[in-house]
Amino acid sequence: GAGVSQSPSNKVTEKGKDVELRCDPISGHTALYWYRQSLGQGLEFLIYFQGNSAPDKSGLPSDRFSAERTGGSVSTLTIQRTQQEDSAVYLCASSYAGTGNEKLFFGSGTQLSVL
Amino acid sequence: DQQVKQNSPSLSVQEGRISILNCDYTNSMFDYFLWYKKYPAEGPTFLISISSIKDKNEDGRFTVFLNKSAKHLSLHIVPSQPGDSAVYFCAARGTNAGKSTFGDGTTLTVKP
Repeated sequence: GAGVSQSPSNKVTEKGKDVELRCDPISGHTALYWYRQSLGQGLEFLIYFQGNSAPDKSGLPSDRFSAERTGGSVSTLTIQRTQQEDSAVYLCASSYAGTGNEKLFFGSGTQLSVL
Repeated sequence: DQQVKQNSPSLSVQEGRISILNCDYTNSMFDYFLWYKKYPAEGPTFLISISSIKDKNEDGRFTVFLNKSAKHLSLHIVPSQPGDSAVYFCAARGTNAGKSTFGDGTTLTVKP
């Protein structure tokens, strides 16, 4: 597609359930990022994938959060045993090669609400 | 420890006037800085960037200034237009790239 695609756009779940969020980056982009934005807050880094390198997981807030990137393209962010504080907009971004001077292209995000 | 700070949560200006958005950073390893604009229910979109080897970069109505010694950058929008009303995020990256570190954003409102 022309841009970064995220699905679902909205997800409502019950506390304790697992959720999966999907990101389809721009074709040819080797770098993929997950961020989240809680209400009234800035963008919080979660995880970064670059090619075949080991991902930078330094931003994942707990071991309930995990992400994978299959075939160097589509990525899935999984949150297990969701908590109310996980409610946020989860944003995925991609860039061509992950170099310092590159801009990120963001998807529209997944609004996650944990009841 | 927040490494990128935007100390003004909001800014309101009249159409046609200058908007100045500020950003401070603490990590001296940052050497590339970007501004993104975000409308409601959309992802952020890239606006303008600057490398640490420069002190100014201009693109149309948008100019970014970098003061490395003060670890401060600012985004100037002249003239401001109602369509510029959005949340503006400052972001910083190091030479080795990887993640970008974002500020909390400044909500700009341009009044007609």
